[in-house]
Amino acid sequence: GAVVSQHPSRVICKSGTSVKIECRSLDFQATTMFWYRQFPKQSLMLMATSNEGSKATYEQGVEKDKFLINHASLTLSTLTVTSAHPEDSSFYICSANNWDRGETQYFGPGTRLLVL
Amino acid sequence: AQTVTQSQPEMSVQEAETVTLSCTYDTSESDYYLFWYKQPPSRQMILVIRQEAYKQQNATENRFSVNFQKAAKSFSLKISDSQLGDAAMYFCAYRSARRLGNEKLTFGTGTRLTIIP
Repeated sequence: GAVVSQHPSRVICKSGTSVKIECRSLDFQATTMFWYRQFPKQSLMLMATSNEGSKATYEQGVEKDKFLINHASLTLSTLTVTSAHPEDSSFYICSANNWDRGETQYFGPGTRLLVL
Repeated sequence: AQTVTQSQPEMSVQEAETVTLSCTYDTSESDYYLFWYKQPPSRQMILVIRQEAYKQQNATENRFSVNFQKAAKSFSLKISDSQLGDAAMYFCAYRSARRLGNEKLTFGTGTRLTIIP
């Protein structure tokens, strides 16, 4: 149990287009999910906390109009990178809180985004 | 604000030997959780071990164990009988035990562990 999936695993898009990344908790319900960004050889940087049925909470410096988050159900959160630019190229990882597993965060496999 | 410090950017160990990765943290809270995650080359973050601050007993998971020193705010990870598959980046993380918006993890900068055959 405690499996989190992420789709797509990698995506290449043209500058100016929007890209949607899905994060699903497969065998548990998650009222809270998280979106991270990771640059090469660095730690994870929290972008936002996604709460089911309410607005996401963004970390300082993260543009909420740029990175749209929707947590429509207890098993699905989506991150949409709007009007993507080459500087948005990165590795994006989601995680979900599993209250049944001692409030532990379980992570998706990540999405590699390349904006040309 | 809480901070997590991993002072060893890189470590290496001979296969089958034991290695200890260090982690210290700073917090004014008394109730919290500590975690070790590993990130292999696939970049999938995998939970290694978890410790509740109110528990005095150190957590263990097979070959992985921690030395949790609450007063010293230290949380080291010991890997026994190191295997090639243990090669990864290891991240120490802190989480407040308070709910309602405090569930986010604070990560250290990571320690890259190399296993020497």
